Amino acid sequence: DTEVTQTPKHLVMGMTNKKSLKCEQHMGHRAMYWYKQKAKKPPELMFVYSYEKLSINESVPSRFSPECPNSSLLNLHLHALQPEDSALYLCASSQDRAGAYNEQFFGPGTRLTVL
Amino acid sequence: AQKITQTQPGMFVQEKEAVTLDCTYDTSDPSYGLFWYKQPSSGEMIFLIYQGSYDQQNATEGRYSLNFQKARKSANLVISASQLGDSAMYFCAMREEDRGSTLGRLYFGRGTQLTVWP
Repeated sequence: DTEVTQTPKHLVMGMTNKKSLKCEQHMGHRAMYWYKQKAKKPPELMFVYSYEKLSINESVPSRFSPECPNSSLLNLHLHALQPEDSALYLCASSQDRAGAYNEQFFGPGTRLTVL
Repeated sequence: AQKITQTQPGMFVQEKEAVTLDCTYDTSDPSYGLFWYKQPSSGEMIFLIYQGSYDQQNATEGRYSLNFQKARKSANLVISASQLGDSAMYFCAMREEDRGSTLGRLYFGRGTQLTVWP
């Protein structure tokens, strides 16, 4: 299984809502990533988990709260978002090992709209 | 300075023709990897091809090949025999071997929007 799945595919939420994005992989990867991508722009790294511990936080606002309950799952909890947070949110996973070759496998993304 | 530069915001190619998408990179790390990803309008990032900095030969994967010129720090993607389904955004990316960590950040270029016309 070389697939990363993400749910939901689309999400519309108000600025006062609390919602969560989910990501799952069964490739035995121990590194998982959250990216934010605006239209016609490259993905921007938000968070990296390694062995279920947060390794990188790219100064993301606290209204985004990541969680890695186990090695296969990655969540992104959303609260009090702003309209400018509307974007495609991509999850990715990779093996956590040294070396330049470390392909990241991406999920299909969640398209988030904040009203 | 930008790590990855893609200078072509958009490219057009006729079906069955070959097209080259440009990518230059900037790094002082002797060990690095270069990736190309395809992103259709559906949003998923699809891995296409990889080139390691120590690889002697250019990488090839089916209709995709990577023209790797190390001295020029360029890693252009060549798509042969273009198909309508190749219409998508293409991103060049680089990973540097971080000797202090097993997690290497993936640096993306701004992307090139490829349109294949019949």
